[in-house]
Amino acid sequence: KAGVTQTPRYLIKTRGQQVTLSCSPISGHRSVSWYQQTPGQGLQFLFEYFSETQRNKGNFPGRFSGRQFSNSRSEMNVSTLELGDSALYLCASRLESTDTQYFGPGTRLTVL
Amino acid sequence: LAKTTQPISMDSYEGQEVNITCSHNNIATNDYITWYQQFPSQGPRFIIQGYKTKVTNEVASLFIPADRKSSTLSLPRVSLSDTAVYYCLVVSDDKIIFGKGTRLHILP
Repeated sequence: KAGVTQTPRYLIKTRGQQVTLSCSPISGHRSVSWYQQTPGQGLQFLFEYFSETQRNKGNFPGRFSGRQFSNSRSEMNVSTLELGDSALYLCASRLESTDTQYFGPGTRLTVL
Repeated sequence: LAKTTQPISMDSYEGQEVNITCSHNNIATNDYITWYQQFPSQGPRFIIQGYKTKVTNEVASLFIPADRKSSTLSLPRVSLSDTAVYYCLVVSDDKIIFGKGTRLHILP
């Protein structure tokens, strides 16, 4: 069974731009979560989607948003990028019946 | 949410057993304890999960005392490839919060 895939793997943007990251969960997994990882703050939870609905949300500004499609694929959008948004963005999927998350390789975003 | 506390870093040698302890003083009755491993530039990988006493799989063992306020991840006979960051987390009401993790460095 294929793992969680994320595209693109690397991205360079400039301040003020917006970016969309994509995540394809493991087949059969309907829950998708997004995390931001930085050296200073570690792994921080952004939000979780299940069956196209946002179920949980972390403490991030409204510039960070996401959505999930009927095939469980998810996208995350960051608008008006700031230098501090440079991070590894990780997506994870899981079966509804468990809390074990399976992570993708991440998207490395650099904001210049 | 149950907050977890674990050592920032640890060093050990190849072939040794490594024990990483995590404290979670306000763990709730229904919470499970889960450990993940993360290598640089990769997503975390599930290692083991437990509720009480002892759980063992092909990778590690997890020891949880009766009060469940702490847990210990045990890695038998570590190798250089076990150098990674290890996260202890408690899942509460479907909320998964990662702590800072323990950076384990295995020396030859």
